[in-house]
Amino acid sequence: EAHLVESGGGFVKPGGSLGLSCAASGFALSNVWMNWVRQVPGKGLEWVARIISKAGGGATDYAAPVKGRFTISRDDSKNTLYLQMNSLQSEDTAVYYCATSVTAPGAFDYWGQGTLVTVSS
Amino acid sequence: DIVMTQTPLSSPVTLGQPASISCRSSQSLGHSNENTYLSWLQQRPGQPPRLLIYKISNRFSGVPDRFSGSGAGTDFTLKISRVEAEDVGVYYCMQATQIPYTFGQGTKLEIK
Repeated sequence: EAHLVESGGGFVKPGGSLGLSCAASGFALSNVWMNWVRQVPGKGLEWVARIISKAGGGATDYAAPVKGRFTISRDDSKNTLYLQMNSLQSEDTAVYYCATSVTAPGAFDYWGQGTLVTVSS
Repeated sequence: DIVMTQTPLSSPVTLGQPASISCRSSQSLGHSNENTYLSWLQQRPGQPPRLLIYKISNRFSGVPDRFSGSGAGTDFTLKISRVEAEDVGVYYCMQATQIPYTFGQGTKLEIK
């Protein structure tokens, strides 16, 4: 069965950088479209970024609030997804989930447990 | 961006009774490939979201058949035929027809 495990969250000062990882098992990362979704504690879900499968060309897309600051990437040899976050702001404080569509087209059928990023001085 | 609007935002329900959540999108969710990428997610307290329904009405693996989805175009509904205690949580609709993917605000289901 598909399984996702995020890591890399923590405390960072405004203007700082942080890198998140999402280790996948049970499926090949290169074959699926992968996403990052975030959630401010106690609030709703916000899509952050997407990377298309290798066969699909590997293009990336970003939500407007993070475009130019965040970079989604993956290492297929490690079956791991990444999110590099630069110029972090307090508004980026959230739990970050990686999520994918393995068997359910156009839906996020597998989610990690999430990793908390706190941006504060 | 496609705006997803859920109603109600809070739904107190008696155990064993039905529940219904509505989701309206600001534009049609029909994709050029003739699919409609509207899904429903459940988030229990302290847990990541869990997929319940995809492409409007398809139940994901392991989801009880008391959950059902319906709708078309811009109006969609999630129904729970008989609410059980384990159904407490927040329910989100989500569209993946157009980037940026967007979610509804969430509907909190609680037991009366």
